Amino acid sequence: ETGVTQTPRHLVMGMTNKKSLKCEQHLGHNAMYWYKQSAKKPLELMFVYNFKEQTENNSVPSRFSPECPNSSHLFLHLHTLQPEDSALYLCASSQGTGVDTQYFGPGTRLTVL
Amino acid sequence: GQQLNQSPQSMFIQEGEDVSMNCTSSSIFNTWLWYKQDPGEGPVLLIALYKAGELTSNGRLTAQFGITRKDSFLNISASIPSDVGIYFCAGQRSGNTPLVFGKGTRLSVIA
Repeated sequence: ETGVTQTPRHLVMGMTNKKSLKCEQHLGHNAMYWYKQSAKKPLELMFVYNFKEQTENNSVPSRFSPECPNSSHLFLHLHTLQPEDSALYLCASSQGTGVDTQYFGPGTRLTVL
Repeated sequence: GQQLNQSPQSMFIQEGEDVSMNCTSSSIFNTWLWYKQDPGEGPVLLIALYKAGELTSNGRLTAQFGITRKDSFLNISASIPSDVGIYFCAGQRSGNTPLVFGKGTRLSVIA
């Protein structure tokens, strides 16, 4: 248990569906992150939020839409995804966005049919 | 963009053997981190290094921050079956810059 939870753990969706991934951290951190992990590739940073404000969007397609209503919760809204978007989506949090250790959730395994 | 070269990509070792893996970069990093990821889980932090030359241990694990600040090493002594997993290095150039991850070293331990 790292103090970061993610739901659902597994998700299968069609290309026309709309779904959302949820992340919650119980560590009192101020920064939250979305990463994409595909097979045989390094973790790819998608978005960074610090004190609920988005500070990084790593050229992510608009079919991925993040939302951070407060410092403890982070969502990733998905719509009209492509099969190549199938991957493990990891959420992480840290005290700040400086030299602070990031703690990861267990991830959501997404399959797009 | 920045890349970390992590090697080896995979290792098969006998239980009880020592393991070494490393991460190199063409750029200088001010922080090096080592994570382990079990199947179906997210990465868990093992060791964090903040100073060039620093050598830090966590149980049977020892990691070093290279003197040039362009590399880091992780050693596992007397491996056991639960050491199985994927080990990732990550580097950060400075505060407020994103972590850069290696592709991981997949470790298999044969009992």
